[in-house]
Amino acid sequence: GQSLEQPSEVTAVEGAIVQINCTYQTSGFYGLSWYQQHDGGAPTFLSYNALDGLEETGRFSSFLSRSDSYGYLLLQELQMKDSASYFCAVRGRSSGSARQLTFGSGTQLTVLP
Amino acid sequence: DTEVTQTPKHLVMGMTNKKSLKCEQHMGHRAMYWYKQKAKKPPELMFVYSYEKLSINESVPSRFSPECPNSSLLNLHLHALQPEDSALYLCASSQSGGDTQYFGPGTRLTVL
Repeated sequence: GQSLEQPSEVTAVEGAIVQINCTYQTSGFYGLSWYQQHDGGAPTFLSYNALDGLEETGRFSSFLSRSDSYGYLLLQELQMKDSASYFCAVRGRSSGSARQLTFGSGTQLTVLP
Repeated sequence: DTEVTQTPKHLVMGMTNKKSLKCEQHMGHRAMYWYKQKAKKPPELMFVYSYEKLSINESVPSRFSPECPNSSLLNLHLHALQPEDSALYLCASSQSGGDTQYFGPGTRLTVL
């Protein structure tokens, strides 16, 4: 199976840079995804790392290191609207339900003015 | 069109009621999902349909009954729910086996 750990809360100020870490234990997976969810809203796909290294999409970047069982989401030039929950997720290579997305516990990011 | 729609947005029902949640996507995705999400928790997978066939049922109680009438539609029929079933119910779709899932806005369900 898969288990993913994230910090429960992170606080930063507008304009700053913040990194949300995700450490995982899995028997094999396709890639690491990140989703953003505002209060009362739906999860929205942000980024996906199939391979080790950095993927950049505008102000957001995501990193994966399979050898360290670790990934992170980097948010730059923080804006108030970035206040949300962020989930990392993996899709396992095993059969059945393990082949579906497993989400981390989520990190609540609060951006202060 | 990269949108998944869900109706209703909010639903309040008694424990003896029967209701249905609906989900629709027009992205040509062949995998569709139902998730349950409690406050401050990650989405929990309930059901997966792949090519209109139920492929995963995560030991969900029979008071939840999914249905996939066609490749664009997904329903979740509810009957004799319990107050602990109150949650946000999310529908999602993806390319078959895809890591990128597109979520609908969810139905906020309250069981009295």
